[in-house]
Amino acid sequence: EVQLVESGGGLVQPGRSLRLSCTASGFSFGDYGMSWFRQAPGKGPEWVGFIRKTAHGGTTEYAASVKGRFTISRDDSKSLAYLQMNSLKTEDTAVYYCSRDLTYPVTKSFDYWGQGTLVTVSS
Amino acid sequence: DIQMTQSPSSVSASVGDRVTITCRASQGISSALAWYQQNPGKAPKLLIYAASSLQSGVPSRFSGSGSGTDFTLTISSLQPEDFATYYCQQANSFPITFGQGTRLEIK
Repeated sequence: EVQLVESGGGLVQPGRSLRLSCTASGFSFGDYGMSWFRQAPGKGPEWVGFIRKTAHGGTTEYAASVKGRFTISRDDSKSLAYLQMNSLKTEDTAVYYCSRDLTYPVTKSFDYWGQGTLVTVSS
Repeated sequence: DIQMTQSPSSVSASVGDRVTITCRASQGISSALAWYQQNPGKAPKLLIYAASSLQSGVPSRFSGSGSGTDFTLTISSLQPEDFATYYCQQANSFPITFGQGTRLEIK
């Protein structure tokens, strides 16, 4: 059974950092691209960033709202994806989800999602 | 960035009704469109990818169509578990973008 479990959320002050983890199981993690999304209270989902599978270079893409502040990485040996969030702003407050790229036959559609972890940025 | 516009923003319907939700892209995206269902407090669930391909395990009452800029999601006969919010998402290019959502409510 495919499972994605996010961890690392919590309350953080503006300007501080936080690292989220996504633990994957039930599939060959290295064969898939992974993405992070977020959803602010009462709003729709917002894409945060994407990391390609290692065979495709493991390169990353980011939303303009987080580029330069957030970094996505992966450790295929541990089936983990990370979202390093620096210089956090109050508007980064949201539930953060990791998700698996369908990868085949198409990309940028996401077939499994974690349960989400809440990040609250407040003084 | 590609803007996605859904309509209607909300719709009221009854069990057994047929419902259609529309999504329009600000530029052509071929068939690179996905549809998700989301219930309160839950993660989005993939229903349709590549505009018309049914994701494994999704009931056949859900269908998608369209290409280029105009797309539709149809639920042929609403079931109680279908009352949720639906989002379209373009899968053509980064940044990935979503429609604003359509809330499907019980009449």
